[in-house]
Amino acid sequence: SQQGEEDPQALSIQEGENATMNCSYKTSINNLQWYRQNSGRGLVHLILIRSNEREKHSGRLRVTLDTSKKSSSLLITASRAADTASYFCATDASAAGNKLTFGGGTRVLVKP
Amino acid sequence: KAGVTQTPRYLIKTRGQQVTLSCSPISGHRSVSWYQQTPGQGLQFLFEYFSETQRNKGNFPGRFSGRQFSNSRSEMNVSTLELGDSALYLCASSLPGDEKLFFGSGTQLSVL
Repeated sequence: SQQGEEDPQALSIQEGENATMNCSYKTSINNLQWYRQNSGRGLVHLILIRSNEREKHSGRLRVTLDTSKKSSSLLITASRAADTASYFCATDASAAGNKLTFGGGTRVLVKP
Repeated sequence: KAGVTQTPRYLIKTRGQQVTLSCSPISGHRSVSWYQQTPGQGLQFLFEYFSETQRNKGNFPGRFSGRQFSNSRSEMNVSTLELGDSALYLCASSLPGDEKLFFGSGTQLSVL
């Protein structure tokens, strides 16, 4: 079963617009990560936010985390055609090591 | 620095056969995780190995097994293949103490 549920499932925007996607999860976590996947390829790590952090930035990415609502959001500003991909949130609640539970993903299409 | 290497890239098997997939982590990474990705179930955690020991395990039947060698390379094996085992199998590695995962491009397994 998936810990994270993402919303929306798909998103279509014009180049230059912002893209926002949300992730909800069910249990307490150590951290939450966002990954990008281009069609049929491996995932690429984008950003990690720890449970005691509320907001984090990396280039055109902004991630927020609300542990009281068990939710996170990823904002991509000034989107580019190259941002077309699926985006996944992943939570880690393991006592040791890495055992990520992924959401269903948001498919983002950026039209030139 | 070479990334995570998975072989083979594509594999076609028939029901009842067994299969072995290989993963070479990034040099210096000692943790290797395996994930199964299907359109219906999304990304699901299979297992994680660290220093040749299984550290975490997902909810998969015993037909799915893995191991890690002293050079951190890992293999996963699926015995008595079923149609539902058709999936993209992703391997990821990480540095000790780092939660960020680096993924390979995956092995696309088709079971006929």
